Amino acid sequence: ETGVTQTPRHLVMGMTNKKSLKCEQHLGHNAMYWYKQSAKKPLELMFVYNFKEQTENNSVPSRFSPECPNSSHLFLHLHTLQPEDSALYLCASSQDGYSGSSETQYFGPGTRLLVL
Amino acid sequence: GNSVTQMEGPVTLSEEAFLTINCTYTATGYPSLFWYVQYPGEGLQLLLKATKADDKGSNKGFEATYRKETTSFHLEKGSVQVSDSAVYFCALSEATDSWGKFQFGAGTQVVVTP
Repeated sequence: ETGVTQTPRHLVMGMTNKKSLKCEQHLGHNAMYWYKQSAKKPLELMFVYNFKEQTENNSVPSRFSPECPNSSHLFLHLHTLQPEDSALYLCASSQDGYSGSSETQYFGPGTRLLVL
Repeated sequence: GNSVTQMEGPVTLSEEAFLTINCTYTATGYPSLFWYVQYPGEGLQLLLKATKADDKGSNKGFEATYRKETTSFHLEKGSVQVSDSAVYFCALSEATDSWGKFQFGAGTQVVVTP
């Protein structure tokens, strides 16, 4: 499955580092999402972008900063993270309609992040 | 608000056994319902979906029927294989006045032993 790709697949960083996660979708979709998946917790929606505009920010701390330069690319910039931010970060995309209908979301393989 | 509740795991069963994973939802409107599967070390993959009441989604031997009267979307497979070992997520998507939103259940881990 190469519809949604994410890099890197694994990342280890210190609390003072700055790093970025990259997501690219090859499906021609107009909406992209960042999710956080922690052990034994439900998927947490972090950010939603529709047509490159951020439409949702679920009270995510400012140490996470998303960027969507175009409808195919989505970044998550990380700085001064905490150990509790260690998790699997999943990117997804979908083709959303103007009426508000939400089609199937397609996920990337995720980036496994460890903050030391 | 919308929510999805699915049975806790892990669910452990032998190869060729029958699998059922219960999923119920609450929604204010008429959501689409999904099952996603996550294999170890991978992201979520769409397994099947249903967009209206009484629809049945099916894929790879798995089935789920959209039951509006019981607000349920239980996943079933008649004969599981070791390769079905994964975490299964029930989800709903409901259009809002802005953009559609997904709501995922907590996931159910399934372990199939030879």
